[in-house]
Amino acid sequence: DAGVIQSPRHEVTEMGQEVTLRCKPISGHNSLFWYRQTMMRGLELLIYFNNNVPIDDSGMPEDRFSAKMPNASFSTLKIQPSEPRDSAVYFCASSSLTGSPVLSGNTIYFGEGSWLTVV
Amino acid sequence: AQSVTQLDSHVSVSEGTPVLLRCNYSSSYSPSLFWYVQHPNKGLQLLLKYTSAATLVKGINGFEAEFKKSETSFHLTKPSAHMSDAAEYFCVVSDVFKIIFGKGTRLHILP
Repeated sequence: DAGVIQSPRHEVTEMGQEVTLRCKPISGHNSLFWYRQTMMRGLELLIYFNNNVPIDDSGMPEDRFSAKMPNASFSTLKIQPSEPRDSAVYFCASSSLTGSPVLSGNTIYFGEGSWLTVV
Repeated sequence: AQSVTQLDSHVSVSEGTPVLLRCNYSSSYSPSLFWYVQHPNKGLQLLLKYTSAATLVKGINGFEAEFKKSETSFHLTKPSAHMSDAAEYFCVVSDVFKIIFGKGTRLHILP
């Protein structure tokens, strides 16, 4: 089983550049989550999709962030323009939610993360 | 309102001694509770979960946790720590609408 696959694993970019993070969820999972982890703020949910539809994007920091899920096997998180304060580890996770979109009791499976540094 | 509190940001134990990582929660609904572990430079891995079945839940690597509704706690334990247990541990509560992660407890294992 391949697990959740994220790319790139590491990215260093200059302030003002566009950053695109990619995620392939576990096959058959119907929900996908984007999290951001920093030392200061811990793990934060940015957005989650159920059946490719964004359900809760209240965690998206601002308009510079956008996320898409064009099909069940692919999602992107884009930051444009990037800023140094966006430096963090971005995790993608997926789950097979029973009920739609009931979260309780469902295990979330995480990718290895994309380590972003904006200089 | 739903919340989760990990009572210790750092815990240090000697190899071979018991581990206790504390977690308290609050939830308006019947929650599900999880413990995840994150090793350095890795993603989060599920250790165990409680979903209203047996209150004592056994997980991987010898960890277990007990759901105590009266104390609103879900503490993680292991009888004997191993060097490979050094990592960050997250307590998670979920109900119908939200998944909340605790701030994490970093476990240090002393030789």
